[in-house]
Amino acid sequence: GAGVSQSPSNKVTEKGKDVELRCDPISGHTALYWYRQSLGQGLEFLIYFQGNSAPDKSGLPSDRFSAERTGGSVSTLTIQRTQQEDSAVYLCASSLALRTDTQYFGPGTRLTVL
Amino acid sequence: SQQGEEDPQALSIQEGENATMNCSYKTSINNLQWYRQNSGRGLVHLILIRSNEREKHSGRLRVTLDTSKKSSSLLITASRAADTASYFCATDARYTDKLIFGTGTRLQVFP
Repeated sequence: GAGVSQSPSNKVTEKGKDVELRCDPISGHTALYWYRQSLGQGLEFLIYFQGNSAPDKSGLPSDRFSAERTGGSVSTLTIQRTQQEDSAVYLCASSLALRTDTQYFGPGTRLTVL
Repeated sequence: SQQGEEDPQALSIQEGENATMNCSYKTSINNLQWYRQNSGRGLVHLILIRSNEREKHSGRLRVTLDTSKKSSSLLITASRAADTASYFCATDARYTDKLIFGTGTRLQVFP
């Protein structure tokens, strides 16, 4: 079956521009997560969705970052007025129901802010 | 603070050797999972061990869990160049209702 997909796979943008990253989770998975990973570093949790609501946004680094999920499926992570320090790989994952279930990751979006 | 920390941060071995990575955590857990990440892309789930289990096997992987020491180890036997990747532990800490990933071990297997 289809896994988690993300688009675009790579995104190069200029400082100050807005970007949208998309995640399509595994069908039927109610839990969805966004992580950020800088080069050679561990995972940095950003936000967790259960259905369409986000009970945990504690990892969003600033108000330039926002995310939404519609129809309990596709999620979009938006970064406004991008900065060079936003450059990283943005990973999306989904799990069946519980936040403690095994997570299935997408291939990530590599964001480069020039 | 980090719930899970892997040790060593980096490990280099020759093909055919065994690789052992350790994960230490701070609070009581329900279960512990190991994931692999190739080339900075998505993580892949390898194995889950529950808090009432002490050892689990999956192919060339052996995971142990010592809840008294709050530590787990991942052993890859007869390593291959294709095992080159970063390996992360993730803990499901009791009463927190979330999965927390460790800092990862970068494994390099030379042919």
